[in-house]
Amino acid sequence: QVQLQESGPGLEKPSETLSLTCTVSGGSISNNYWSWIRQRAGKGLEWIGRIYSSGSTNYNPSLKSRVTMSVDTSKNQVSLNLSSVTAADTAVYYCAREVVGESQFDYWGQGTLVTVSS
Amino acid sequence: QAVLTQPSSLSASPGASASLTCTLRSGINVDTYMIYWYQQKPGSPPQYLLRYKSDSDKQQGSGVPSRFSGSKDASANAGILLISGLQSEDEADYYCMIWHSSAYVFGGGTKLTVL
Repeated sequence: QVQLQESGPGLEKPSETLSLTCTVSGGSISNNYWSWIRQRAGKGLEWIGRIYSSGSTNYNPSLKSRVTMSVDTSKNQVSLNLSSVTAADTAVYYCAREVVGESQFDYWGQGTLVTVSS
Repeated sequence: QAVLTQPSSLSASPGASASLTCTLRSGINVDTYMIYWYQQKPGSPPQYLLRYKSDSDKQQGSGVPSRFSGSKDASANAGILLISGLQSEDEADYYCMIWHSSAYVFGGGTKLTVL
């Protein structure tokens, strides 16, 4: 059973860089896409971007200038960096798996709350 | 105008059917898109329900009951999630999603109340 676990600081200061890691267990990072999706309190889902196991990426145009994703196949981890954060970046951040050719997100992490506050 | 528009809320009675719509922005033709549907209950991540492009190109999520089905209304330029035989456990938020211009886009979500 594939499991995803997000981790990272729960509190970031404005203008800092938010850094999160998604650790995948029960399956391989390889040959899959890995997306980051966030959800502000009481709001809908917002796709941040995705990374393929080879390192190729697609980002949400509205966040592209601030987003960097990376993959570490040796650790079965994907990472998200979001720079210059503001209070508007306060949200629950999810990682999710997308099987190549399927395009749906079939496995999700439980999510991690990140609060941006001074 | 948002790429995908969903009604913010919908109420229906147990045993009845609910039709949740996902309207694509004018100029984006629903016929050419696969539409994905997710269910989210409070405090949990979303769960994949199904995807629908046409009757010959669709997929039910693993373990998802057949009373959840997808369709399209081309005249309304919308994707539809139909839930039949509503049960109290179907009360949740429902999101549609498409792949558009090299990015995934979610609708704003519909809160379904079963009462």
